[in-house]
Amino acid sequence: NAGVTQTPKFQVLKTGQSMTLQCAQDMNHEYMSWYRQDPGMGLRLIHYSVGAGITDQGEVPNGYNVSRSTTEDFPLRLLSAAPSQTSVYFCASSYIGGSSYEQYFGPGTRLTVT
Amino acid sequence: QQPVQSPQAVILREGEDAVINCSSSKALYSVHWYRQKHGEAPVFLMILLKGGEQKGHDKISASFNEKKQQSSLYLTASQLSYSGTYFCGTSNTGNQFYFGTGTSLTVIP
Repeated sequence: NAGVTQTPKFQVLKTGQSMTLQCAQDMNHEYMSWYRQDPGMGLRLIHYSVGAGITDQGEVPNGYNVSRSTTEDFPLRLLSAAPSQTSVYFCASSYIGGSSYEQYFGPGTRLTVT
Repeated sequence: QQPVQSPQAVILREGEDAVINCSSSKALYSVHWYRQKHGEAPVFLMILLKGGEQKGHDKISASFNEKKQQSSLYLTASQLSYSGTYFCGTSNTGNQFYFGTGTSLTVIP
């Protein structure tokens, strides 16, 4: 099993550009989520999904879109990048009822917006 | 909704003990504990699902006081490998998950 994979590992964007961060898992987990990690702020939930076709907002959803067309994939789209979105982004997955089960994290994507 | 962790940072010598606390202003459904090494992803340590539950493996254990909306992580006889940032994660609904700001733990020889 590859677990949770994320691409790219590093990305530099100019303000206003858009891009998609990819996340995939091969554990047949129904629950998937995106976090951003900023110094001193811990991990903050952006969006999450409890299954294909079902997504919901987390704590800091503004400026991000998600979709879940398959169980395996959960891409995160930045619509118009801003310097405030410079961060490390982690995707995670777990069995349904995310808070009752261990979350498996991907290796992260380090994004810089200039 | 973000839980509060204390202390923010702690430095230990090998063999010493440490306690990391996590408290929430909301009723908790569960508490998770994770450790993150620099430049890596968080790694799961344990989950506590019931008030009063205690868990542990090796020399790391945790307790969950549901009434006080608090959890504590206990590291005994610390080893160099325990160094990293520890996060608690809490949920009061089952699907929305909130992490604390982290506690940096450094173990020195």
